[in-house]
Amino acid sequence: EAGVAQSPRYKIIEKRQSVAFWCNPISGHATLYWYQQILGQGPKLLIQFQNNGVVDDSQLPKDRFSAERLKGVDSTLKIQPAKLEDSAVYLCASSLERTSGSWDEQFFGPGTRLTVL
Amino acid sequence: AQKVTQAQTEISVVEKEDVTLDCVYETRDTTYYLFWYKQPPSGELVFLIRRNSFDEQNEISGRYSWNFQKSTSSFNFTITASQVVDSAVYFCALSEVEGGGNKLTFGTGTQLKVEL
Repeated sequence: EAGVAQSPRYKIIEKRQSVAFWCNPISGHATLYWYQQILGQGPKLLIQFQNNGVVDDSQLPKDRFSAERLKGVDSTLKIQPAKLEDSAVYLCASSLERTSGSWDEQFFGPGTRLTVL
Repeated sequence: AQKVTQAQTEISVVEKEDVTLDCVYETRDTTYYLFWYKQPPSGELVFLIRRNSFDEQNEISGRYSWNFQKSTSSFNFTITASQVVDSAVYFCALSEVEGGGNKLTFGTGTQLKVEL
């Protein structure tokens, strides 16, 4: 079974430029997550989708970050314009559809390492 | 608010030594899950274990064991007879169940270096 795919693996941009990351979850997984992992820290959830709807985007800096999952499968995360502090690894994860009171394992992709100069 | 604290930033051991990684958590929820993930240099997070808040039984899986103590809000992870391949960053995480979302709150991680 294929895992969570992400591209690109690495990206270097200058501040104020735009960048987009792509994620293809495991087939059949309804829930998709984007995490930001700054060097030396644990991953922080940016946004969670259930199919093509947003479940939680409370920690997404909406003035510069946006994400979509139009057909309920793959997803893109965009930063526009980028700041120096956006340098991080952006991890995508997916899980089966969550039912109330239970927890479905999140499978993580390899991440995209973004460097903003 | 949920919080996970991993006070050990980095641990270095010699191969075959036992090592314990500490994790302390805070939550107001009565039902929650605790996790350990491994992040090797390749970057992917690898799931190791999930523990339900109602299940305080310790668990052993090969060289890995976990000690969950609700009274001290701790969920410590021990690797017995460590190996070089165990070198990685290990994250403890917490997920609420009530309120929905499946949101994981991670600690800052412990870098484990196992040397020959």
